[in-house]
Amino acid sequence: GNSVTQMEGPVTLSEEAFLTINCTYTATGYPSLFWYVQYPGEGLQLLLKATKADDKGSNKGFEATYRKETTSFHLEKGSVQVSDSAVYFCALRKGAQKLVFGQGTRLTINP
Amino acid sequence: DVKVTQSSRYLVKRTGEKVFLECVQDMDHENMFWYRQDPGLGLRLIYFSYDVKMKEKGDIPEGYSVSREKKERFSLILESASTNQTSMYLCASSANPGQGAEEQYFGPGTRLTVT
Repeated sequence: GNSVTQMEGPVTLSEEAFLTINCTYTATGYPSLFWYVQYPGEGLQLLLKATKADDKGSNKGFEATYRKETTSFHLEKGSVQVSDSAVYFCALRKGAQKLVFGQGTRLTINP
Repeated sequence: DVKVTQSSRYLVKRTGEKVFLECVQDMDHENMFWYRQDPGLGLRLIYFSYDVKMKEKGDIPEGYSVSREKKERFSLILESASTNQTSMYLCASSANPGQGAEEQYFGPGTRLTVT
């Protein structure tokens, strides 16, 4: 079946550090891929998405590229801020509207 | 501004009680979803609905039921709450494909504790 695996957290970085959160998936065909972010005390909100191979999603300085050959969708940001502290979820959607989520990665940025 | 609201942010119930969690969306979305969120497990789909009075089981429907009598409202019911249902419950909604929106919009969540 379809599944998503994220790097285990928690991840702690200093402000202005480079961020990578790894995400790999298992699915047949060509799923759409998503990164959602959950700030403390809030629900999830869409951060970025990619719908086909080699697409790059980007938003708020975050980027992720859909790599079919490695079945990956790693999240990156060049210089993180304290306000980026949150839980990040990788997800895929294939066919119907259902999403399959990874386990989430908690990110803490220290000033 | 799009909005998904959930009836309670925090809820404490006793084992064996019947529990209702309510979700309302104001975006005229066809699809609505209930997830539970547990540390290390991410979000797991309990039930979803793609139309009024329609429902489909997700990955972990056991111990839960749902009701969708109106398009904007989707209720999750725990018929007899148990301690292993202590969790964060998240509701989401989305439009149908082809309407330019794949995104699911989430409510703020209800943290349920069953004692």
